[in-house]
Amino acid sequence: GAVVSQHPSWVICKSGTSVKIECRSLDFQATTMFWYRQFPKQSLMLMATSNEGSKATYEQGVEKDKFLINHASLTLSTLTVTSAHPEDSSFYICSARGAGANTGELFFGEGSRLTVL
Amino acid sequence: GQNIDQPTEMTATEGAIVQINCTYQTSGFNGLFWYQQHAGEAPTFLSYNVLDGLEEKGRFSSFLSRSKGYSYLLLKELQMKDSASYLCAVSVGGFQKLVFGTGTRLLVSP
Repeated sequence: GAVVSQHPSWVICKSGTSVKIECRSLDFQATTMFWYRQFPKQSLMLMATSNEGSKATYEQGVEKDKFLINHASLTLSTLTVTSAHPEDSSFYICSARGAGANTGELFFGEGSRLTVL
Repeated sequence: GQNIDQPTEMTATEGAIVQINCTYQTSGFNGLFWYQQHAGEAPTFLSYNVLDGLEEKGRFSSFLSRSKGYSYLLLKELQMKDSASYLCAVSVGGFQKLVFGTGTRLLVSP
């Protein structure tokens, strides 16, 4: 199946700093990628839809100035958590739909665990 | 808005059968997915339903009733490794984004 890779897997940062997470589709082109956040023992919450070459579409309640999304190419989307605070500590997961997939199945990256001190 | 509900936790015995229910009320519907997620890992795809009825894949089956806004995931011959969270997700909108339910933590005991 299609492969989606995220980097870094783990990141620890100080409060007030910014952190960038990369999501790459390794063997297919993804015009649309999705960013999710997951708090412990909770389900995945969709943050935004990332579209190649255009602005991301954010879900209600997600601050677009805090969570910057850039989808500069068909294989790379980045999420930057700006001025991170401890409450931003979470598991961030990206996903993309495989090229030619009829089912609409999403392939997920390995996830990035952010801890803000 | 989107509302997708699942039981929070379920327990079952190794070798048994368990059914995890999912009810949904969404603006739009392109299909329903079930994913399995082990702690600290990304979700993995289990099944997909777009038409009413039962889809069977080995030990896993998934059922959909669009008129009732209802689905279930059936796991047979439970194994210890099936202990995980099971996520129901509905595909909505032109971008076919997946909106996830609350998730069900399944604990399989010996």
